[in-house]
Amino acid sequence: AQSVTQLDSQVPVFEEAPVELRCNYSSSVSVYLFWYVQYPNQGLQLLLKYLSGSTLVKGINGFEAEFNKSQTSFHLRKPSVHISDTAEYFCAVSVRGGGNKLTFGTGTQLKVEL
Amino acid sequence: SAVISQKPSRDICQRGTSLTIQCQVDSQVTMMFWYRQQPGQSLTLIATANQGSEATYESGFVIDKFPISRPNLTFSTLTVSNMSPEDSSIYLCSVRTSGFYNEQFFGPGTRLTVL
Repeated sequence: AQSVTQLDSQVPVFEEAPVELRCNYSSSVSVYLFWYVQYPNQGLQLLLKYLSGSTLVKGINGFEAEFNKSQTSFHLRKPSVHISDTAEYFCAVSVRGGGNKLTFGTGTQLKVEL
Repeated sequence: SAVISQKPSRDICQRGTSLTIQCQVDSQVTMMFWYRQQPGQSLTLIATANQGSEATYESGFVIDKFPISRPNLTFSTLTVSNMSPEDSSIYLCSVRTSGFYNEQFFGPGTRLTVL
């Protein structure tokens, strides 16, 4: 079975500073990787996904993530955050050929401060 | 993409009662899912709602507690039966449309509090 670890439950950062949200996964087979964002009192919105090809994936709102197979990581980055980026971020994994089941990490609360 | 709505958006219920949550999608979708997000925790898949047949439940979830219906390709309901305070969670509907491999779209969620 696959699993996802998000080591940081909370990440405070000042506006316009860079941020990295960490995600590591465990799986015995190839996976697809996703980052979702959940704004307060809203559902989840897909930020970006890695299916294959280039390991650097660009998403919406200026976010990007890099798939590192040797380190089984898929860290999310943004060079300059804005107050509006304050939200919960979830990393998720889906096994290739394993249907559509998403396994989520426990989430990272990003709090952007002035 | 798909636009998903859920009703109710939130509710406060008494122990021992049941609540049915509705999920409506603006287009026909191949797969629909129900997730639970307990306070301060991540999302856990409850079941896959299959059109025209019984839902497929994940380990730890049973039909008697979480009966699911899916009468057509745009609508599904999840019932939380005989509720206890431990059922207090956000329940989210999710769909996968054809052509977006493994990409799932989520509804806004239903915030349930059981007293």
